[in-house]
Amino acid sequence: EAQVTQNPRYLITVTGKKLTVTCSQNMNHEYMSWYRQDPGLGLRQIYYSMNVEVTDKGDVPEGYKVSRKEKRNFPLILESPSPNQTSLYFCASSPRLAKNIQYFGAGTRLSVL
Amino acid sequence: QQPVQSPQAVILREGEDAVINCSSSKALYSVHWYRQKHGEAPVFLMILLKGGEQKGHEKISASFNEKKQQSSLYLTASQLSYSGTYFCGTEISGNQFYFGTGTSLTVIP
Repeated sequence: EAQVTQNPRYLITVTGKKLTVTCSQNMNHEYMSWYRQDPGLGLRQIYYSMNVEVTDKGDVPEGYKVSRKEKRNFPLILESPSPNQTSLYFCASSPRLAKNIQYFGAGTRLSVL
Repeated sequence: QQPVQSPQAVILREGEDAVINCSSSKALYSVHWYRQKHGEAPVFLMILLKGGEQKGHEKISASFNEKKQQSSLYLTASQLSYSGTYFCGTEISGNQFYFGTGTSLTVIP
């Protein structure tokens, strides 16, 4: 089954404790992206990647890192989480020739205390 | 840079129609629409490219006016299953995407 898998689905952590949210897709998509969703603000793009070893900042990259060492994986790293990073996070992937048609993972709800 | 959607929320009775608007201050290459049901991930509905085209998906259709930098989503004869939050998205430059703030649609019996 074609899917984008995020882990964990729920995470509660404390300020400053490094964490990684994993994202994996099995559709051989080139384009992958991370979004955060906050009430009243919609979906905002954090980082995206056009292919392996090619990443770029989205609209709200501060406080986040990503890497794309393999085509299928695109982890989101929070080196020193802060309470304002409490949010619902989505990973998405799409094929290079149809970037607009994004397949989203189920989401990761993160709370930073 | 984020597209502006209106209305923010709408409540319909089954069978009624609704229009959701999306406008941008930047030139648009394309507009795409997604629907997110409560507690779920957004799901792609349709994409509209330059050319003022109109597309349909079941009883949901959309138009794109590139000159006005606007898109509208039309939901006709709404069904309970249409409930959710609708997002328009745009690719303004390069490979970066911007989504609107969303329109919450609730269909009641």
